[in-house]
Amino acid sequence: KNQVEQSPQSLIILEGKNCTLQCNYTVSPFSNLRWYKQDTGRGPVSLTIMTFSENTKSNGRYTATLDADTKQSSLHITASQLSDSASYICVVSANTGFQKLVFGTGTRLLVSP
Amino acid sequence: NAGVTQTPKFQVLKTGQSMTLQCAQDMNHNSMYWYRQDPGMGLRLIYYSASEGTTDKGEVPNGYNVSRLNKREFSLRLESAAPSQTSVYFCASTQAGSTYNEQFFGPGTRLTVL
Repeated sequence: KNQVEQSPQSLIILEGKNCTLQCNYTVSPFSNLRWYKQDTGRGPVSLTIMTFSENTKSNGRYTATLDADTKQSSLHITASQLSDSASYICVVSANTGFQKLVFGTGTRLLVSP
Repeated sequence: NAGVTQTPKFQVLKTGQSMTLQCAQDMNHNSMYWYRQDPGMGLRLIYYSASEGTTDKGEVPNGYNVSRLNKREFSLRLESAAPSQTSVYFCASTQAGSTYNEQFFGPGTRLTVL
């Protein structure tokens, strides 16, 4: 069964600190892995997308890593800001002719002043 | 560029009422999608349209119908709303065949069925 599991479910950190969010997946055949940021009451916005051959990708203070062998990904946030408070969703695309997306349930991050 | 727009933003219905959620994109994308997001669950695909003139069922299509009106617009209809359809609905679009098939999401419609 295609699944994406994220940990932790929620996280509170102090402004300026770093944090790492985890994603494990069992999706086949794998096409790519995406991290989305979803602010409260808004739609998800893409942060990074990585294919099988890419093992790290950065977008400003966000750095995603992918280990396709262990089927794990992480999203590292550096020098957190209050505006980083949001849900972060890991999404894996299955290459089944039609690009099926399998969504994780997200990690809710709160950055405290 | 407005990206993906959705109307309405909020809606309250009584059980048995019908309504149509509207979605439009101005990115000239060929594929469009409807998802629902429920607490504690990942987004689930309701219906999608791979290209203008085609629609297909997703993971949770029961109780919904869709219309791909033209390349820009993709609507979702609830014929007889049920409390189980209380959810946040997101429309998304992508240019299928692009490098990453990145999906762009609208702001969502928050629907409550009493």
